[in-house]
Amino acid sequence: DGGITQSPKYLFRKEGQNVTLSCEQNLNHDAMYWYRQDPGQGLRLIYYSQIVNDFQKGDIAEGYSVSREKKESFPLTVTSAQKNPTAFYLCASSPMRTVGWYGYTFGSGTRLTVV
Amino acid sequence: KQEVTQIPAALSVPEGENLVLNCSFTDSAIYNLQWFRQDPGKGLTSLLLIQSSQREQTSGRLNASLDKSSGRSTLYIAASQPGDSATYLCAVLISSGSARQLTFGSGTQLTVLP
Repeated sequence: DGGITQSPKYLFRKEGQNVTLSCEQNLNHDAMYWYRQDPGQGLRLIYYSQIVNDFQKGDIAEGYSVSREKKESFPLTVTSAQKNPTAFYLCASSPMRTVGWYGYTFGSGTRLTVV
Repeated sequence: KQEVTQIPAALSVPEGENLVLNCSFTDSAIYNLQWFRQDPGKGLTSLLLIQSSQREQTSGRLNASLDKSSGRSTLYIAASQPGDSATYLCAVLISSGSARQLTFGSGTQLTVLP
């Protein structure tokens, strides 16, 4: 079955450490997105990519970095510059040419906790 | 900047009731509006997608309407069941520069009591 796989499900980060969250999709979607969700809040866009080797900052990109070397993969690195990284992170994808007609597909999320 | 608001933030109803969740957005220049369901600690599941040219979509006991001119959408759930308990999020697809982005509301947490 086609879908989006995020790993790990739970991740713990020590102060000053960089960690990378994985997101893989087999839907042949061109665009991929990373969102952050805090308790009681909606999702906020961190980064998005519409094509391989290209990506754009979202609303809250500071302290995060991404890469898009393959169409299927869009890993997110939470750097030590992100001062409040504890949150639930969601990856999504969508087709590009007809994105207005098709919705987004989301992964099951990674919960990151600073210890 | 587009803002999406969902009211109420939380709702508790007895099983069997029909209910309405509300979503409003500030800029009517949207491509579509999507309703999602989120269970605790899980990702988002798409429920209904309404194109900007449409007025409503139905799936089983769910019906979503869209009034783009007034910046409002409603999600109607008929004959609610305890399994409907979840957080419901609405999101609008907008243009942002050369890209299109989803802007989310903060959700309505629904509890259906048996």
